[in-house]
Amino acid sequence: GQQLNQSPQSMFIQEGEDVSMNCTSSSIFNTWLWYKQEPGEGPVLLIALYKAGELTSNGRLTAQFGITRKDSFLNISASIPSDVGIYFCAGSSGNTGKLIFGQGTTLQVKP
Amino acid sequence: DAGITQSPRYKITETGRQVTLMCHQTWSHSYMFWYRQDLGHGLRLIYYSAAADITDKGEVPDGYVVSRSKTENFPLTLESATRSQTSVYFCASTRTVYNEQFFGPGTRLTVL
Repeated sequence: GQQLNQSPQSMFIQEGEDVSMNCTSSSIFNTWLWYKQEPGEGPVLLIALYKAGELTSNGRLTAQFGITRKDSFLNISASIPSDVGIYFCAGSSGNTGKLIFGQGTTLQVKP
Repeated sequence: DAGITQSPRYKITETGRQVTLMCHQTWSHSYMFWYRQDLGHGLRLIYYSAAADITDKGEVPDGYVVSRSKTENFPLTLESATRSQTSVYFCASTRTVYNEQFFGPGTRLTVL
């Protein structure tokens, strides 16, 4: 079946640093989504990408839908302590609405 | 409050018992989904539903049963719970297949 490889698995950074994480797929997706999950809560949508090559920002977050439609990245600029959490990429390739999730990137920010 | 809710939030049960996890959304979204989240596996789809009375299997459906008699509710039943079903379960919904999914707060289930 389809698989998403998300990297890195974890990051421990200093407050103020920029962060970059990415996802690659073995097959083509027509939608890429980035979610953040905090302890004890469900994932919350950060950015949705619907078109190859699309670059979208949400505050300090920027995400891009790769031209090949097999990858996506998420950047966080000037990290702050509240950025701590697990970030998931998710992709959809068909017309069923089903999502395939990456393994997640655990982000820790040192004040 | 409007949104998507799950109940119970925490559940402890014993092997062999039947357990039902509830999911309710107030957006009248057509599509609803059940995922389980385990360390090392991320989120995996158990079952999904495109509309009332329409359900289909996801990646890991064995041991689970779903129903959807009303658009707003999508209960997940473990007919005979096993220890391997200890997990955090998330329900999600979306208006169309082209929209992002919104997640509930999760149910943490422990099977002893």
